Amino acid sequence: AQSVTQPDIHITVSEGASLELRCNYSYGATPYLFWYVQSPGQGLQLLLKYFSGDTLVQGIKGFEAEFKRSQSSFNLRKPSVHWSDAAEYFCAVGASGTSYGKLTFGQGTILTVHP
Amino acid sequence: DTGVSQDPRHKITKRGQNVTFRCDPISEHNRLYWYRQTLGQGPEFLTYFQNEAQLEKSRLLSDRFSAERPKGSFSTLEIQRTEQGDSAMYLCASSLGGGRRDEQFFGPGTRLTVL
Repeated sequence: AQSVTQPDIHITVSEGASLELRCNYSYGATPYLFWYVQSPGQGLQLLLKYFSGDTLVQGIKGFEAEFKRSQSSFNLRKPSVHWSDAAEYFCAVGASGTSYGKLTFGQGTILTVHP
Repeated sequence: DTGVSQDPRHKITKRGQNVTFRCDPISEHNRLYWYRQTLGQGPEFLTYFQNEAQLEKSRLLSDRFSAERPKGSFSTLEIQRTEQGDSAMYLCASSLGGGRRDEQFFGPGTRLTVL
């Protein structure tokens, strides 16, 4: 069965600092990977996704993620964090076959940004 | 189209009561998903529809839970004889249904509190 682990429950960074959120997945075949962001009172918003090809994926709001098959990782990065990035971030892997939309999410990482 | 909408946004009920939630997907989307998110956890898959057909249900969806999507448009999720353990955020998402590269768009969720 597929699974996703986000080792960091809570991360605090200063505004303007760089950010890396970790995600490790377990999946038997080529994974389809996603990063979502959830702000209080808001629905989940897709930041970026990896299906195949270039292992460095660019997303919205200046985020990027790198797929590393050898490490089963899909870490999210941002070179300079803004106060508005404070939110909870979820990594997810998609199922295969006709259940392709069935996403398995990690526990999430809460990001706090200090001024 | 303003995206996926859910109603109500908040529901407080007493243990043993029945509750029903509604989800209106993006109009041209064929797939509709329900997830449950408890405090401190990522969303967990409950069930999904392809048009009006319910194609898969999670083991999390006990006999007290039922979901419908009449005519392949909006969907309802009913919980009968609610228990305190049902307290959670119930998220709905929809997608075009075009395969593994499908992107899910999430609604703001319905927060259920069972007293």
